[in-house]
Amino acid sequence: SQQGEEDPQALSIQEGENATMNCSYKTSINNLQWYRQNSGRGLVHLILIRSNEREKHSGRLRVTLDTSKKSSSLLITASRAADTASYFCATPSSKTSYDKVIFGPGTSLSVIP
Amino acid sequence: ETGVTQTPRHLVMGMTNKKSLKCEQHLGHNAMYWYKQSAKKPLELMFVYNFKEQTENNSVPSRFSPECPNSSHLFLHLHTLQPEDSALYLCASSQPLDRVETEAFFGQGTRLTVV
Repeated sequence: SQQGEEDPQALSIQEGENATMNCSYKTSINNLQWYRQNSGRGLVHLILIRSNEREKHSGRLRVTLDTSKKSSSLLITASRAADTASYFCATPSSKTSYDKVIFGPGTSLSVIP
Repeated sequence: ETGVTQTPRHLVMGMTNKKSLKCEQHLGHNAMYWYKQSAKKPLELMFVYNFKEQTENNSVPSRFSPECPNSSHLFLHLHTLQPEDSALYLCASSQPLDRVETEAFFGQGTRLTVV
């Protein structure tokens, strides 16, 4: 079974709108990360949020973490066509070692110009 | 550029061929990873190396053979692959594994097609 799972699987919005993606996970974690992947390319790290943080911002990105619900959300404000990509949450299955970070299946975001 | 370079970017090989994928990182990291990304499937962790020692082999078939000669280089040797092995193979690196609050830096991937 997957540690992290994104929702929705696919999202299509108009340029300028906000995009919200959610991630649910199963076991307790000490941090959660979001990555982005342009089609057929490598993943790029976007943001890391620690378990003692509730919200974090980076430019047009806003990430929230609710450890009681074991969920996180990624909000992209004022979306641009260049934001079209797949977005993954990643959670370590171990609190002491990074080697078992598990990626969710991703949300495919399409931003229509 | 993420500081992680994979070659080749594309590879087509027959089922009887032997080929190798190469990954090189210039970030001073000590952990390196191989991932497989197939269509409509989550990213699958294949192998993990920490300070050149393999720490994880995620039940990967023996037709995939990793090699990590030093902390900057990682190879994936391929032989007698199957068509279902066609996928995007991604290499990543990070700080040592005991630093749990770290991020992975990914290469651009090798698109492998087995015919």
